[in-house]
Amino acid sequence: AQTVTQSQPEMSVQEAETVTLSCTYDTSENNYYLFWYKQPPSRQMILVIRQEAYKQQNATENRFSVNFQKAAKSFSLKISDSQLGDTAMYFCAFMKIPGTYKYIFGTGTRLKVLA
Amino acid sequence: NAGVTQTPKFRVLKTGQSMTLLCAQDMNHEYMYWYRQDPGMGLRLIHYSVGEGTTAKGEVPDGYNVSRLKKQNFLLGLESAAPSQTSVYFCASSYVTSPIQYFGAGTRLSVL
Repeated sequence: AQTVTQSQPEMSVQEAETVTLSCTYDTSENNYYLFWYKQPPSRQMILVIRQEAYKQQNATENRFSVNFQKAAKSFSLKISDSQLGDTAMYFCAFMKIPGTYKYIFGTGTRLKVLA
Repeated sequence: NAGVTQTPKFRVLKTGQSMTLLCAQDMNHEYMYWYRQDPGMGLRLIHYSVGEGTTAKGEVPDGYNVSRLKKQNFLLGLESAAPSQTSVYFCASSYVTSPIQYFGAGTRLSVL
């Protein structure tokens, strides 16, 4: 069975600074996806970034980038130039392939961006 | 384009009452999912469906039933609500060819 661990329940960062959120996972699968989802106070789940395990290049989406270390089973999210709107709960998720696209979520990291 | 719509947004039940949560998607997605979110636990999969007329158990299925009579709708039922079912419930859907799930806005359910 797969597990996803987010060891930082809460973090804070000053506006315009950079912050890194940690995620580790345990699996015996070789093919899978990893995701970071954002949940702002509105409760809506928003996809931030995804990484396919067979791709060595780290995914990047504007100010968001990941550090994917497959051998170490680590998938951290870096947010550059933090903005007040980045304040949210962030969830790391794992999905094996092939399959029915079931996600395994971590317990989340609550990020607060300070003005 | 509404995406994934959950009804209702809030509900309060008494122990033993029953209710149905409705999830509707207008993206013609084949796969649909029900999750519950509890403090400190992340989102956990309750049931899912890979097509009309098919359902399967997820990680925490006990106390819930589901039905998918139409492709666009996925219903989650609580036959006899318990306080342990107090949670925020999320519906999601996805294409069979894509790993990205699209989520509804959630339903906050309190069982007293």
